[in-house]
Amino acid sequence: DAGITQSPRHKVTETGTPVTLRCHQTENHRYMYWYRQDPGHGLRLIHYSYGVKDTDKGEVSDGYSVSRSKTEDFLLTLESATSSQTSVYFCAIRAALTDSGNTIYFGEGSWLTVV
Amino acid sequence: KNEVEQSPQNLTAQEGEFITINCSYSVGISALHWLQQHPGGGIVSLFMLSSGKKKHGRLIATINIQEKHSSLHITASHPRDSAVYICAVYSGSARQLTFGSGTQLTVLP
Repeated sequence: DAGITQSPRHKVTETGTPVTLRCHQTENHRYMYWYRQDPGHGLRLIHYSYGVKDTDKGEVSDGYSVSRSKTEDFLLTLESATSSQTSVYFCAIRAALTDSGNTIYFGEGSWLTVV
Repeated sequence: KNEVEQSPQNLTAQEGEFITINCSYSVGISALHWLQQHPGGGIVSLFMLSSGKKKHGRLIATINIQEKHSSLHITASHPRDSAVYICAVYSGSARQLTFGSGTQLTVLP
């Protein structure tokens, strides 16, 4: 699992409040991703990072911000949560394989409900 | 049109059957992943392919770059294979994955 942990795993929050999800890795991988998964849409990229302080937007970045001040942590912030942001959020890292190419490891997911 | 299309969306099989899940994509890619997601959420990568064929146990993945098509086969299917199988491709700058919508597989005992 490449030592990925997400926190919190489950959260219920009120509309309009800020929420921060944390993704922590223990193996110094460069690429980290935040996805959301919704019925009928599959996994969609919110933001990704290719190094400390290097981040870029994905296809559904509106209403979200990220920060990566150190290699091991990638934070996703919902600046003012809305009901449309109720979803399951997955962090992932891209890891080089010893033989060739790369693979991807996912965190266990964070279930967020905005009421 | 989605860049990554999977078929079928849902598949029910009897234990022991040979199963095929298909993935077609419309863009040039550098690599393709097959992922498995069990109820409860956990997602794992089964294969990463850039050409040819890979086999792991009862699972076989193939890719045809010219035809922009990949298949995942499960031989001698078992109820524990019941999961959602997701195809994902690296394209463009290869920094990002684009995902198919997944195939829900149910294997009945």
